[in-house]
Amino acid sequence: SQKIEQNSEALNIQEGKTATLTCNYTNYSPAYLQWYRQDPGRGPVFLLLIRENEKEKRKERLKVTFDTTLKQSLFHITASQPADSATYLCALVDSSASKIIFGSGTRLSIRP
Amino acid sequence: DSGVTQTPKHLITATGQRVTLRCSPRSGDLSVYWYQQSLDQGLQFLIQYYNGEERAKGNILERFSAQQFPDLHSELNLSSLELGDSALYFCASNRDTSTDTQYFGPGTRLTVL
Repeated sequence: SQKIEQNSEALNIQEGKTATLTCNYTNYSPAYLQWYRQDPGRGPVFLLLIRENEKEKRKERLKVTFDTTLKQSLFHITASQPADSATYLCALVDSSASKIIFGSGTRLSIRP
Repeated sequence: DSGVTQTPKHLITATGQRVTLRCSPRSGDLSVYWYQQSLDQGLQFLIQYYNGEERAKGNILERFSAQQFPDLHSELNLSSLELGDSALYFCASNRDTSTDTQYFGPGTRLTVL
């Protein structure tokens, strides 16, 4: 069956460390994968998109990798800050069905 | 502020009732998406419209329907409401249909009593 899975547990990181979030998918062949940030009670905010032919993408303190062999994307936040605390969602487009599927999200907490 | 607006912010109603949620996309965006987010289900894609036409369908119940109007605003109609329909409903829009990068509105919180 088709699945998209993120770290099921919340992630607690010390300020200044690198946070690494995982997104794994099964039985999809996405052309690209997206990451969003969501704060409680608010709509998700788009952060980064990475295409299948890109291994890595960076934006300021954010880095995303995409391994189509492992069917996995990693999302890194370097020099993490308490303001980075939020839920992070990965999403892919199922090209066969032309619809976007979101993972359940990983709640990240950065402690001072 | 994403530029996507949704009304109302909160809606409290009773089982069996019908409600309409409204969304205005960002200026220039032709696509509108609707999502349902509840605590136990995560963000579930319901339906997408592009320039007035239905483009993709997700796990949308038959009791739910949507449309996009010529001015590109969209409405999501929920009928015969059940307790389990209580959730946050988000609308998103985009103009780059090659990547489906989406800009989300603030959501409508629906409570069915």
